[in-house]
Amino acid sequence: EIVMTQSPATLSVSPGERVTLSCRASQSVSTYLAWYQQRPGQAPRLLIYGASTRATGIPARFSGGGSGTEFTLTISSLQSEDFALYYCQQYNNWPPLTFGGGTRVEIK
Amino acid sequence: QVTLRESGPALVKPTQTLTLTCTFSGFSLNTSGMCVSWIRQPPGKALEWLARIDWDDDKNYNTSLKTRLTISKDTTKNQVVLTMTNLAPVDTATYFCARAKLWRGAFDLWGQGTMVTVSS
Repeated sequence: EIVMTQSPATLSVSPGERVTLSCRASQSVSTYLAWYQQRPGQAPRLLIYGASTRATGIPARFSGGGSGTEFTLTISSLQSEDFALYYCQQYNNWPPLTFGGGTRVEIK
Repeated sequence: QVTLRESGPALVKPTQTLTLTCTFSGFSLNTSGMCVSWIRQPPGKALEWLARIDWDDDKNYNTSLKTRLTISKDTTKNQVVLTMTNLAPVDTATYFCARAKLWRGAFDLWGQGTMVTVSS
C-alpha cells in the first residue's frame, strides 16, 4: 500500500497570502497524483490531476507540482473561499487507492 | 448534466448489512475507461477509498475491508451498488461515490455523500 503523507496538518494564513501544501508518497507514483478541496459539509472537488493539470473551472491561482514521491499544491493569493481542507491522492497503484490525511487551511 | 447521487439508510444497527446505491446520470458505465468508486469519511477524519468497479466489470477492493465489501453495477439503471457486511460503530461515516473517466484517472466528479450512523 502506498502511504500518502501531507504536511502540515494545519496552515494559518491571511487572505491574499501565498501558501504551499506538501504531499509525500511512500513510493513513486510518477505523476498520478491528484489534489482535492473539501469545504465544510461538501463533497471533495477535484483541483489538480496528473500532479500539475488544473481541472475544469479551477482558477489559475491553484498550481500543482512534483513527481515521483514529492508533490506540492500552491495557492498564489488566498481568497476567502479557499479556506478549506485539501487532500492529495495517488492513483498509480491500487488497490488500494490512497489519500493523504489532509491539510486544513484556516484564516489567521 | 453529469451527476452522481448516493442513497441508503441513515441508521444501521451493529452486525447488520449496509446497502448503498449510487445513481448517476450524464455518462455511461459502458464507456471504455469509465470507473465508479466508493469512498468514505468518518466524522472529522480523512477520506478512505473502499471499492471500485470498472466499465468492463473489473472490481477492486480496499484490502483491509475486502471480506466485507461487494460492489456491483446495473448499467441499465445507471447504478452502482455497494454492500458492506457486519457493520460496527467504526463504520459510521459519510459515504461518497465518485467517477473516474480513465482506468488510471482522478475522481473528477463526486456525489454529495450520504451519512450512515451505526448504532444500536
